[in-house]
Amino acid sequence: EADIYQTPRYLVIGTGKKITLECSQTMGHDKMYWYQQDPGMELHLIHYSYGVNSTEKGDLSSESTVSRIRTEHFPLTLESARPSHTSQYLCASSLTAQGGEKLFFGSGTQLSVL
Amino acid sequence: GEDVEQSLFLSVREGDSSVINCTYTDSSSTYLYWYKQEPGAGLQLLTYIFSNMDMKQDQRLTVLLNKKDKHLSLRIADTQTGDSAIYFCAVISGSARQLTFGSGTQLTVLP
Repeated sequence: EADIYQTPRYLVIGTGKKITLECSQTMGHDKMYWYQQDPGMELHLIHYSYGVNSTEKGDLSSESTVSRIRTEHFPLTLESARPSHTSQYLCASSLTAQGGEKLFFGSGTQLSVL
Repeated sequence: GEDVEQSLFLSVREGDSSVINCTYTDSSSTYLYWYKQEPGAGLQLLTYIFSNMDMKQDQRLTVLLNKKDKHLSLRIADTQTGDSAIYFCAVISGSARQLTFGSGTQLTVLP
C-alpha cells in the first residue's frame, strides 16, 4: 500500500488568494511529481523533482511553484489563484526498480477558485 | 516525444470481458503500464509489462503487447461493477525520464 498523502482533499477559495497544496510521502522516494487533471480526464505534468533542492517544470506551463526542502515533502503554491486554476491536482512519487518507474499517487486535491 | 492514444469510453455488461486499447509511438518504449482511477481518487498501478514480453496475466487481468504495431491492450475477464473506473495507459522509453500517459478510457459496467 502506497503512503502518499495530499491535503486538503477539497478547497474552495476566492480569486487572488495565495494557496499551498500539501503532499507528503513516507516511502523515501527521491522522485516526486505534480499532475493537473482536466475534467475530461487527461493528466498534465506540471512539476517534478528528482531529489532535495531539485525542481523542474513539466510539460504543461503552470503559474504554480514548488519546493523540495525535504525528501518527503513536495508542496505546490499558487501566489494568486484564478478561476482558470480550477482543477484536480494529483501528487505522485516513484520508485525506480525492477518494473521500471512505478508511480504511487495521492488521492488528489480538488481546487475550485471562484 | 512520445504520444499515447486511447479511446475515451467503453461500456460492457457485467460478466463480459472488457478490452481497453492503447497505441503509442516510441518504438524504444521499455515499460508499459496500466493504471486505474476510481471516482474521487488518485491513480493506482494495476499491472505493467516489459517490452520483451508479449503477454502478462494476473488473475482477471491480461496485458497484450504488439511491439510491431505499438499496440497495448488490457483485458478484464468477468467484468464487475467495481471495475467501473478510468483506465490509463502509460509508457516510458529508454530516453524519457518520465511516464507519458494516455488520455484515459472511461469503463462503464452495466448490470
